[in-house]
Amino acid sequence: LAKTTQPISMDSYEGQEVNITCSHNNIATNDYITWYQQFPSQGPRFIIQGYKTKVTNEVASLFIPADRKSSTLSLPRVSLSDTAVYYCLVGVRNTPLVFGKGTRLSVIA
Amino acid sequence: DGGITQSPKYLFRKEGQNVTLSCEQNLNHDAMYWYRQDPGQGLRLIYYSQIVNDFQKGDIAEGYSVSREKKESFPLTVTSAQKNPTAFYLCASRTSYATNEKLFFGSGTQLSVL
Repeated sequence: LAKTTQPISMDSYEGQEVNITCSHNNIATNDYITWYQQFPSQGPRFIIQGYKTKVTNEVASLFIPADRKSSTLSLPRVSLSDTAVYYCLVGVRNTPLVFGKGTRLSVIA
Repeated sequence: DGGITQSPKYLFRKEGQNVTLSCEQNLNHDAMYWYRQDPGQGLRLIYYSQIVNDFQKGDIAEGYSVSREKKESFPLTVTSAQKNPTAFYLCASRTSYATNEKLFFGSGTQLSVL
């Protein structure tokens, strides 16, 4: 399984754009990159998934450079309700899904 | 509504007691998973099942057991051999093991030791 490295925590003010970067140097050719969000005492929730370049949905964007050794989750104009832990996963097909410690995002008013 | 239902939300275990956590899904998913989460930590995989009547150990299976007799059900038993069972337990599923599709999670069970 590709190992991922994320910052342990980040702080942001409301209304700012937040970018969380995940490093995955040994990503395999067929691996996808998936991000989940978890609020306290709840199960994680899928945010976005991508393979290369850029993917955008109604809540976030995912930027993946050509070498795919890292990816960046971008949250536009965060609010207090975006305070959560964000997990980056790599290599989701035919493998048990392993979650690291994630990035704890705190949004400040 | 389709989804995953975990019960109970809170569970207390006495010393030497086995307890069973329920996980039911009506999403018609083949693959199901059990994770354990300790405070401030990530999720660790206990067991997973690719299909009915099949399951494999994850990273921390010792002290736990599972069954998969029905597609929609994947109960987890925390046995007395698990010496530190206090944690938040999460069940998840997805369409199949051989897919990139997203995981759906239940709302979790908080297990505590009396």
